[in-house]
Amino acid sequence: NAGVTQTPKFQVLKTGQSMTLQCAQDMNHEYMSWYRQDPGMGLRLIHYSVGAGITDQGEVPNGYNVSRSTTEDFPLRLLSAAPSQTSVYFCASSPLGGRSPYNEQFFGPGTRLTVL
Amino acid sequence: GNSVTQMEGPVTLSEEAFLTINCTYTATGYPSLFWYVQYPGEGLQLLLKATKADDKGSNKGFEATYRKETTSFHLEKGSVQVSDSAVYFCALGQVGRRALTFGSGTRLQVQP
Repeated sequence: NAGVTQTPKFQVLKTGQSMTLQCAQDMNHEYMSWYRQDPGMGLRLIHYSVGAGITDQGEVPNGYNVSRSTTEDFPLRLLSAAPSQTSVYFCASSPLGGRSPYNEQFFGPGTRLTVL
Repeated sequence: GNSVTQMEGPVTLSEEAFLTINCTYTATGYPSLFWYVQYPGEGLQLLLKATKADDKGSNKGFEATYRKETTSFHLEKGSVQVSDSAVYFCALGQVGRRALTFGSGTRLQVQP
């Protein structure tokens, strides 16, 4: 199993450009989420999904869109990048069932994004 | 709302020293508590967890005890190694909330 994979590893954008960060998992996990990691602030939840066709907003959703057409993939879209979106982005997945979020979350290696 | 507070880093120790990283939390009800570790250039990995008061989580020589009376979940290791150098995150989760609430992370540097 590859686990949770993210592409690209690094990206530089200009203000106003758009791009999609890719996330895929091969563990058949229902729950997937996107976090951003900023210095001194830990990880903050952007969007999450509990299954194909179901998404919801997290703590900091503004400026980001998501969709979930398959169990495996959960892309994060930046429609018009801003310098405030410079961050490291992590995708995570977890099985549902039982007393979620007591289930372990599995993280991808991250995408480091710089917006100039 | 929920929050997690960790001691600021970096924490710099010599090999074989004793490690404590403090973590306190604010939450309603009875959350589960976690420690995640992030090695350089990698994503976060679950290190240990505790799901109820007085539970002790342990893994790879690390331990943490869920103390409801002090709302704490301090991470300890008796003898650190250079390979333990990483960023450590304390986090909490609650039934009915899908996401974890993370602390700001503590960087540990272990010198030979």
